[in-house]
Amino acid sequence: QKEVEQNSGPLSVPEGAIASLNCTYSDRGSQSFFWYRQYSGKSPELIMFIYSNGDKEDGRFTAQLNKASQYVSLLIRDSQPSDSATYLCAVASKIIFGSGTRLSIRP
Amino acid sequence: DTGVSQNPRHKITKRGQNVTFRCDPISEHNRLYWYRQTLGQGPEFLTYFQNEAQLEKSRLLSDRFSAERPKGSFSTLEIQRTEQGDSAMYLCASRGDGTGHYEQYFGPGTRLTVT
Repeated sequence: QKEVEQNSGPLSVPEGAIASLNCTYSDRGSQSFFWYRQYSGKSPELIMFIYSNGDKEDGRFTAQLNKASQYVSLLIRDSQPSDSATYLCAVASKIIFGSGTRLSIRP
Repeated sequence: DTGVSQNPRHKITKRGQNVTFRCDPISEHNRLYWYRQTLGQGPEFLTYFQNEAQLEKSRLLSDRFSAERPKGSFSTLEIQRTEQGDSAMYLCASRGDGTGHYEQYFGPGTRLTVT
């Protein structure tokens, strides 16, 4: 079992809809969870981080963490074509990444 | 610019040559990480430093790879006797430390091509 698992996609979502990205992790002692967005040929850009169980909202983004079930998710509301990218889930303390989910927003 | 910087941005080298990359972290961050990323994969952990101490190295890091952070500020990653399989994007990231949780920020990466 990989330490951090994501569905590689591509996940195709119509413009204006909600994109839902999921991630599971194996280390029950993990404390910090991050979502990065990566455009092709660029380095990852931090968009959300969450440490406590529940939801954390920032603009159109909501991160959800459930430590008991060992999953973290990212919701993107009102999806825009500019949201099309690969989304990487990362888990700390060493910060291990999933392989990423490629999201495509279709106009 | 107060972000993480990396140099060079691109490096093309012939197999068997040595290469060295540099990373300058965000100034107040005492943790520095090196990752390698190949197409279609997430960043793969290589090693990390807390100040000048190298605290962990991935088993994936062969003895041809060495990293240093001599004064606890910038870091270098050297690859000796490069192989074609070393072609990848090498990413550096930095993070704060202390109580609480701190976010990790990436530099732009160094893309290595071994011919």
